Amino acid sequence: AQSVAQPEDQVNVAEGNPLTVKCTYSVSGNPYLFWYVQYPNRGLQFLLKYITGDNLVKGSYGFEAEFNKSQTSFHLKKPSALVSDSALYFCAVRDRNSGNTPLVFGKGTRLSVIA
Amino acid sequence: DVKVTQSSRYLVKRTGEKVFLECVQDMDHENMFWYRQDPGLGLRLIYFSYDVKMKEKGDIPEGYSVSREKKERFSLILESASTNQTSMYLCATSSPPGGPVEQYFGPGTRLTVT
Repeated sequence: AQSVAQPEDQVNVAEGNPLTVKCTYSVSGNPYLFWYVQYPNRGLQFLLKYITGDNLVKGSYGFEAEFNKSQTSFHLKKPSALVSDSALYFCAVRDRNSGNTPLVFGKGTRLSVIA
Repeated sequence: DVKVTQSSRYLVKRTGEKVFLECVQDMDHENMFWYRQDPGLGLRLIYFSYDVKMKEKGDIPEGYSVSREKKERFSLILESASTNQTSMYLCATSSPPGGPVEQYFGPGTRLTVT
């Protein structure tokens, strides 16, 4: 079975400070990993994904994520937070060996960037 | 760019009504999905479809059905709406089947059942 955990319901950070939104996953094989962002009353927007290769993945809006196989983690990071980054963030996973199956999503982490 | 549209942004229905939520995509994607989103519960998969006229149950199919008569359209049906189906409903698509492909989401329909 595949699963994703986002251990923090809420993350607060001051504008200009670095931010981290945590994600851990569980799959039987190797994962494909994804991050999405949701602004109020909107659908989810794709930020970035890890397929293979370099453990540091760069995505939209200055976000990046680091894949750590030994810790089964895929934390989302940004060096300097903006107030406009305030949103709901979702991590998702698919096992490479699972064929054409839907992504499995975490419960989401609400990021609040304070001016 | 992939465009996924949903028929309504906001919808208010009465208990017992039959409700249709429509999703249309313009990129010829094989896969289509319906999720509901509730605070503290994240996204939960209701149904998905890999091709026309086929469907698969997700994690929470009870009280819902789906229809996919054309490749670009995937409908979610609440046969008899209940208050516990008040939620945000999100449609998504992806292609090609399998592999490291992301899902593209529509704007969502916020359904209130009174």
